[in-house]
Amino acid sequence: QQLVQESGPGLVRPSQTLSLTCTVSGDSISTTSNHFNWIRQAAGKGLEWIGRIYSDGKTHYNSSLTSRATISADMSKNQIFLKLTSVTAADTAVYYCTRSAVEYSSYFGMDVWGQGTTVIVSS
Amino acid sequence: DIVMTQSPLSLSVTPGEPASISCRSSQSLLHSNGYSYLDWYVQRPGQPPQLLIYLSSTRAPGVPDRFRGSGSGTDFTLQISRVEAGDVGIYYCMQARQTVAFGGGTKVDIK
Repeated sequence: QQLVQESGPGLVRPSQTLSLTCTVSGDSISTTSNHFNWIRQAAGKGLEWIGRIYSDGKTHYNSSLTSRATISADMSKNQIFLKLTSVTAADTAVYYCTRSAVEYSSYFGMDVWGQGTTVIVSS
Repeated sequence: DIVMTQSPLSLSVTPGEPASISCRSSQSLLHSNGYSYLDWYVQRPGQPPQLLIYLSSTRAPGVPDRFRGSGSGTDFTLQISRVEAGDVGIYYCMQARQTVAFGGGTKVDIK
């Protein structure tokens, strides 16, 4: 069973780049069919999908964030990264890393969520 | 992009009574494999969201059979047959047919 844990600086200055890490424990992210997502939630608001990365490194992004978001991975360290450039106060949120479970081309939902990491954008 | 719309925004339920949440997608979520890629999640207070239902009607491991998902194409429903105090939270539908998008959420509380 894979588990995920997010980490990163809790405070980012406006116009700077937000950088977060998701550390995956358990099976190697490069050898399973699962893919990993970044999702965020502003205080008192709903869930917003940012993007995902597959085991082959292929990525997809929310069309509203595609110009600022980059998701990458270090397969040797079982880590997934999120970079979000030119942040503003609107990027203040709890950021979640999640696993979408896929096995033999069958989908089993986002079955693993981290506890989330809070990022505040402020000067 | 697919847009997900949930209703109602909030629901207050007497313990033991049923509850129903609707979710509609702007495009069909039906895949050629016959499955609709619609999930349901619940976010209990102070917790990250948790998977309840995937592929419209399959309960995730450990989810009690009081929770039932149904629907296909563009219209979906989550039903809780007998609401308990522990069911309090915000329920989200999510489409996984084309990238990912969440509904706005339905807040369920106890009368």
